[in-house]
Amino acid sequence: DIVMTQSPLSLPVTPGEPASISCRSSQSLLHSNGYNYFDWYLQRPGQSPQLLIYLGSIRASGVPDRFSGSGSGTDFTLKISRVEAEDVGIYYCMQALQTRTFGQGTRLEIK
Amino acid sequence: QVQLVESGGGVVQPGRSLRPSCAASGFTFNIYVIHWVRQAPGKGLEWVAVISHDGTKKYYADSVKGRFTISRDNSRNTLYLQMNSLRVEDTAVYYCARESRYDFGSGAYYGYLDVWGKGTTVTVSS
Repeated sequence: DIVMTQSPLSLPVTPGEPASISCRSSQSLLHSNGYNYFDWYLQRPGQSPQLLIYLGSIRASGVPDRFSGSGSGTDFTLKISRVEAEDVGIYYCMQALQTRTFGQGTRLEIK
Repeated sequence: QVQLVESGGGVVQPGRSLRPSCAASGFTFNIYVIHWVRQAPGKGLEWVAVISHDGTKKYYADSVKGRFTISRDNSRNTLYLQMNSLRVEDTAVYYCARESRYDFGSGAYYGYLDVWGKGTTVTVSS
């Protein structure tokens, strides 16, 4: 089974400042077709998860361009260029190469 | 609008059964793969099961294999999760999620979870 490990688990950020979350997988998520089978999701307080990024770097419909995904193989990063109050919540990475596995989640809070 | 609505959760004793469901509306249900994902109280997300658009292919997490069965009724636009031999550790909010496709061409595609329900709560307790 593929294990996903996120860091940090807690991330206090000042509004307007950048933020970065890392996710590492126990095996490469790079498919033979050249795409990384990897997503980022955000779960705002009291809400269901929502898709942010898929295939490692493609923003989902309606996601602000301050969110970006990068990385390949086993190491991935989600960056928020300027954090806003509405970005508070828990961010999850997820692999999609073998069924699905989520990371433990990273809780982003406003300082 | 496009939505998934879960129902059928509740409180049940260990060893008993429950069958939550997920009703789809606003889209053509029978062409989409659908997943169940759960979240134990105060914990992270755990993938549970997936079913193909026509119900012929099903896959499960090891933690539920042999106890849970995912199924769908495309005539009713509804997904089910038959949960047998329930354990205390199955206590969670259960979400259904739609898998949409990014088409690579030549029949190959990538599936991402773009629509989620609000969840239904299952509590297993004596």
